Amino acid sequence: DIVMTQSPDSLAVSLGERATINCKSSQSLLYNSNNKNYLAWYQQKPGQPPKLLIYWASTRQSGVPDRFSGSGSGTDFTLTISSLQAEDVAVYYCQQYYDPLTFGQGTRVEI
Amino acid sequence: QVQLVQSGSELKKPGASVKVSCKASGNSFSNSAMNWVRQAPGQGLEWMGWIDTDTGNPTYAQGFTGRFMFSLDTSLRTTYLQISSLNPDDTAIYYCARGGRGLYKSGWYPYQFDDWGQGTLVTVSS
Repeated sequence: DIVMTQSPDSLAVSLGERATINCKSSQSLLYNSNNKNYLAWYQQKPGQPPKLLIYWASTRQSGVPDRFSGSGSGTDFTLTISSLQAEDVAVYYCQQYYDPLTFGQGTRVEI
Repeated sequence: QVQLVQSGSELKKPGASVKVSCKASGNSFSNSAMNWVRQAPGQGLEWMGWIDTDTGNPTYAQGFTGRFMFSLDTSLRTTYLQISSLNPDDTAIYYCARGGRGLYKSGWYPYQFDDWGQGTLVTVSS
Protein backbone atom coordinates (compact mmCIF):
# COMPACT_ATOMS: atom_id res chain seq x y z
CA ASP A 1 0.00 0.00 0.00
CA ILE A 2 1.00 3.60 -0.49
CA VAL A 3 2.21 5.15 2.77
CA MET A 4 1.22 8.74 3.50
CA THR A 5 3.40 10.69 5.93
CA GLN A 6 2.29 14.06 7.26
CA SER A 7 4.45 16.68 8.91
CA PRO A 8 4.41 18.07 11.46
CA ASP A 9 2.33 15.92 13.81
CA SER A 10 1.10 19.07 15.53
CA LEU A 11 1.28 22.76 14.88
CA ALA A 12 0.55 25.86 16.97
CA VAL A 13 -0.28 28.98 15.00
CA SER A 14 -1.40 32.43 16.09
CA LEU A 15 -4.76 33.74 14.96
CA GLY A 16 -4.44 35.36 11.54
CA GLU A 17 -1.16 33.62 10.77
CA ARG A 18 -0.44 31.04 8.10
CA ALA A 19 -0.54 27.31 8.80
CA THR A 20 1.21 24.86 6.49
CA ILE A 21 0.82 21.09 6.59
CA ASN A 22 2.88 18.75 4.43
CA CYS A 23 1.99 15.32 3.12
CA LYS A 24 4.41 12.98 1.39
CA SER A 25 3.42 9.78 -0.39
CA SER A 26 5.64 6.72 -0.87
CA GLN A 27 4.88 6.75 -4.59
CA SER A 28 3.56 9.19 -7.12
CA LEU A 29 -0.15 10.02 -7.01
CA LEU A 30 -0.11 11.58 -10.47
CA TYR A 31 -2.04 9.55 -13.04
CA ASN A 32 -0.48 10.44 -16.36
CA SER A 33 -3.54 9.59 -18.45
CA ASN A 34 -5.56 12.46 -17.00
CA ASN A 35 -2.79 14.52 -15.36
CA LYS A 36 -4.59 14.43 -11.99
CA ASN A 37 -3.13 13.94 -8.54
CA TYR A 38 -5.30 11.54 -6.54
CA LEU A 39 -5.04 13.35 -3.21
CA ALA A 40 -7.58 14.88 -0.84
CA TRP A 41 -7.50 16.82 2.43
CA TYR A 42 -9.99 16.52 5.30
CA GLN A 43 -10.65 18.48 8.47
CA GLN A 44 -11.90 16.76 11.61
CA LYS A 45 -13.08 18.77 14.60
CA PRO A 46 -13.53 17.11 18.02
CA GLY A 47 -16.61 14.92 18.18
CA GLN A 48 -17.40 15.37 14.49
CA PRO A 49 -16.88 13.30 11.35
CA PRO A 50 -14.23 14.45 8.90
CA LYS A 51 -15.12 17.05 6.31
CA LEU A 52 -13.75 17.19 2.78
CA LEU A 53 -11.75 20.36 2.10
CA ILE A 54 -9.69 19.71 -1.04
CA TYR A 55 -9.65 17.02 -3.74
CA TRP A 56 -7.53 16.40 -6.84
CA ALA A 57 -4.79 17.99 -4.69
CA SER A 58 -5.94 21.57 -5.31
CA THR A 59 -9.71 21.72 -5.98
CA ARG A 60 -11.59 23.30 -3.11
CA GLN A 61 -14.85 21.60 -2.12
CA SER A 62 -17.97 23.73 -2.47
CA GLY A 63 -18.53 25.89 0.60
CA VAL A 64 -14.97 25.64 1.91
CA PRO A 65 -13.51 29.07 2.72
CA ASP A 66 -10.87 30.29 0.28
CA ARG A 67 -8.29 30.60 3.05
CA PHE A 68 -7.83 26.84 2.57
CA SER A 69 -5.71 25.87 -0.42
CA GLY A 70 -3.95 22.75 -1.64
CA SER A 71 -0.85 22.44 -3.79
CA GLY A 72 1.74 19.94 -4.92
CA SER A 73 2.15 17.11 -7.38
CA GLY A 74 3.63 13.64 -7.59
CA THR A 75 4.69 12.73 -4.07
CA ASP A 76 4.75 16.06 -2.20
CA PHE A 77 1.67 18.01 -1.23
CA THR A 78 0.77 20.93 1.02
CA LEU A 79 -2.37 22.21 2.71
CA THR A 80 -2.20 25.90 3.55
CA ILE A 81 -4.52 27.89 5.78
CA SER A 82 -3.67 31.45 4.85
CA SER A 83 -5.06 33.20 7.92
CA LEU A 84 -5.92 30.90 10.80
CA GLN A 85 -9.30 31.39 12.44
CA ALA A 86 -10.41 30.00 15.80
CA GLU A 87 -12.81 27.61 14.06
CA ASP A 88 -9.92 26.02 12.14
CA VAL A 89 -8.64 24.24 15.25
CA ALA A 90 -8.88 20.61 14.18
CA VAL A 91 -6.96 17.57 13.00
CA TYR A 92 -6.19 17.55 9.29
CA TYR A 93 -5.70 14.40 7.22
CA CYS A 94 -4.38 13.84 3.74
CA GLN A 95 -5.74 10.87 1.79
CA GLN A 96 -4.54 9.24 -1.39
CA TYR A 97 -7.05 7.48 -3.60
CA TYR A 98 -4.64 6.36 -6.27
CA ASP A 99 -4.09 2.74 -5.15
CA PRO A 100 -6.32 1.98 -3.47
CA LEU A 101 -6.83 4.39 -0.60
CA THR A 102 -4.89 5.36 2.56
CA PHE A 103 -4.81 8.26 5.01
CA GLY A 104 -1.96 10.14 6.58
CA GLN A 105 -1.59 9.96 10.36
CA GLY A 106 -3.08 13.42 10.87
CA THR A 107 -1.79 16.84 11.92
CA ARG A 108 -3.27 18.65 14.91
CA VAL A 109 -3.60 22.42 14.47
CA GLU A 110 -3.90 24.51 17.62
CA ILE A 111 -3.80 28.18 18.49
CA GLN B 1 -25.31 16.40 -1.66
CA VAL B 2 -26.22 13.24 0.22
CA GLN B 3 -27.11 13.06 3.90
CA LEU B 4 -25.95 9.91 5.65
CA VAL B 5 -27.56 8.83 8.92
CA GLN B 6 -26.03 5.93 10.83
CA SER B 7 -27.51 3.65 13.46
CA GLY B 8 -26.86 4.25 17.14
CA SER B 9 -24.08 3.20 19.48
CA GLU B 10 -23.61 -0.46 20.28
CA LEU B 11 -22.19 -2.26 23.31
CA LYS B 12 -21.21 -5.85 22.56
CA LYS B 13 -19.46 -8.69 24.34
CA PRO B 14 -16.39 -10.36 22.85
CA GLY B 15 -17.34 -12.99 20.30
CA ALA B 16 -20.62 -11.33 19.36
CA SER B 17 -21.54 -9.71 16.04
CA VAL B 18 -22.74 -6.23 15.20
CA LYS B 19 -24.46 -4.71 12.17
CA VAL B 20 -24.21 -0.97 11.56
CA SER B 21 -26.49 0.76 9.07
CA CYS B 22 -26.01 3.89 7.01
CA LYS B 23 -29.08 5.40 5.33
CA ALA B 24 -28.71 7.88 2.50
CA SER B 25 -31.09 10.64 1.55
CA GLY B 26 -30.87 13.29 -1.12
CA ASN B 27 -29.30 13.00 -4.51
CA SER B 28 -26.41 10.96 -5.87
CA PHE B 29 -26.87 7.59 -4.16
CA SER B 30 -26.47 5.65 -7.39
CA ASN B 31 -23.15 5.68 -9.27
CA SER B 32 -21.41 6.05 -5.93
CA ALA B 33 -18.87 4.39 -3.69
CA MET B 34 -20.02 3.82 -0.12
CA ASN B 35 -16.95 3.54 2.03
CA TRP B 36 -16.41 2.46 5.62
CA VAL B 37 -13.76 4.09 7.84
CA ARG B 38 -12.67 3.06 11.32
CA GLN B 39 -11.36 5.42 13.97
CA ALA B 40 -10.10 3.81 17.17
CA PRO B 41 -10.22 5.96 20.32
CA GLY B 42 -7.79 8.86 19.99
CA GLN B 43 -6.42 7.50 16.73
CA GLY B 44 -6.47 8.39 13.03
CA LEU B 45 -8.64 7.29 10.14
CA GLU B 46 -8.39 3.82 8.65
CA TRP B 47 -10.14 2.91 5.40
CA MET B 48 -11.88 -0.46 5.62
CA GLY B 49 -13.10 -0.74 2.04
CA TRP B 50 -16.08 0.15 -0.13
CA ILE B 51 -19.17 -1.12 -1.87
CA ASP B 52 -20.31 -0.07 -5.32
CA THR B 53 -23.90 1.22 -5.08
CA ASP B 54 -24.67 0.14 -8.63
CA THR B 55 -23.34 -3.43 -8.60
CA GLY B 56 -23.27 -4.17 -4.85
CA ASN B 57 -19.72 -5.42 -5.32
CA PRO B 58 -17.69 -5.03 -2.08
CA THR B 59 -13.94 -4.48 -1.86
CA TYR B 60 -12.11 -4.93 1.44
CA ALA B 61 -8.89 -3.25 2.45
CA GLN B 62 -6.00 -5.24 3.84
CA GLY B 63 -6.71 -6.14 7.43
CA PHE B 64 -10.46 -6.12 6.92
CA THR B 65 -11.10 -9.45 5.32
CA GLY B 66 -12.85 -12.43 6.87
CA ARG B 67 -14.78 -10.91 9.80
CA PHE B 68 -16.07 -7.83 7.97
CA MET B 69 -18.90 -7.70 5.47
CA PHE B 70 -20.44 -4.84 3.51
CA SER B 71 -23.93 -5.11 2.06
CA LEU B 72 -26.49 -2.89 0.39
CA ASP B 73 -30.26 -2.54 0.17
CA THR B 74 -30.80 -0.16 -2.72
CA SER B 75 -34.58 -0.02 -2.16
CA LEU B 76 -33.88 1.43 1.31
CA ARG B 77 -30.84 3.42 0.14
CA THR B 78 -29.03 1.79 3.05
CA THR B 79 -25.55 0.35 3.38
CA TYR B 80 -24.53 -2.08 6.12
CA LEU B 81 -21.33 -3.03 7.89
CA GLN B 82 -21.35 -6.33 9.74
CA ILE B 83 -18.49 -7.40 12.01
CA SER B 84 -18.38 -10.89 13.47
CA SER B 85 -16.29 -12.43 16.27
CA LEU B 86 -15.85 -9.03 17.89
CA ASN B 87 -12.86 -8.43 20.15
CA PRO B 88 -11.90 -5.40 22.27
CA ASP B 89 -9.59 -4.14 19.49
CA ASP B 90 -12.70 -3.54 17.37
CA THR B 91 -13.79 -0.79 19.77
CA ALA B 92 -13.96 2.28 17.56
CA ILE B 93 -16.15 4.79 15.80
CA TYR B 94 -17.22 3.48 12.41
CA TYR B 95 -18.07 6.00 9.70
CA CYS B 96 -19.77 5.51 6.37
CA ALA B 97 -18.66 7.94 3.69
CA ARG B 98 -19.96 8.44 0.15
CA GLY B 99 -17.98 9.51 -2.83
CA GLY B 100 -17.65 9.05 -6.53
CA ARG B 101 -15.85 6.25 -8.25
CA GLY B 102 -13.91 6.09 -11.46
CA LEU B 103 -12.83 3.57 -14.04
CA TYR B 104 -9.07 3.69 -14.40
CA LYS B 105 -6.13 1.40 -14.45
CA SER B 106 -7.61 -2.10 -14.15
CA GLY B 107 -11.03 -1.43 -12.68
CA TRP B 108 -13.34 0.77 -10.63
CA TYR B 109 -11.84 2.67 -7.73
CA PRO B 110 -13.34 5.03 -5.15
CA TYR B 111 -12.54 8.72 -5.18
CA GLN B 112 -12.52 11.28 -2.38
CA PHE B 113 -15.28 11.17 0.26
CA ASP B 114 -17.79 13.98 -0.29
CA ASP B 115 -20.28 13.07 2.45
CA TRP B 116 -19.89 11.42 5.85
CA GLY B 117 -22.25 9.83 8.33
CA GLN B 118 -22.18 10.99 11.92
CA GLY B 119 -20.36 7.86 13.06
CA THR B 120 -21.38 4.84 15.14
CA LEU B 121 -19.49 3.97 18.32
CA VAL B 122 -19.04 0.23 18.76
CA THR B 123 -17.73 -0.77 22.16
CA VAL B 124 -16.61 -4.34 22.78
CA SER B 125 -16.27 -5.20 26.44
CA SER B 126 -17.05 -8.10 28.74
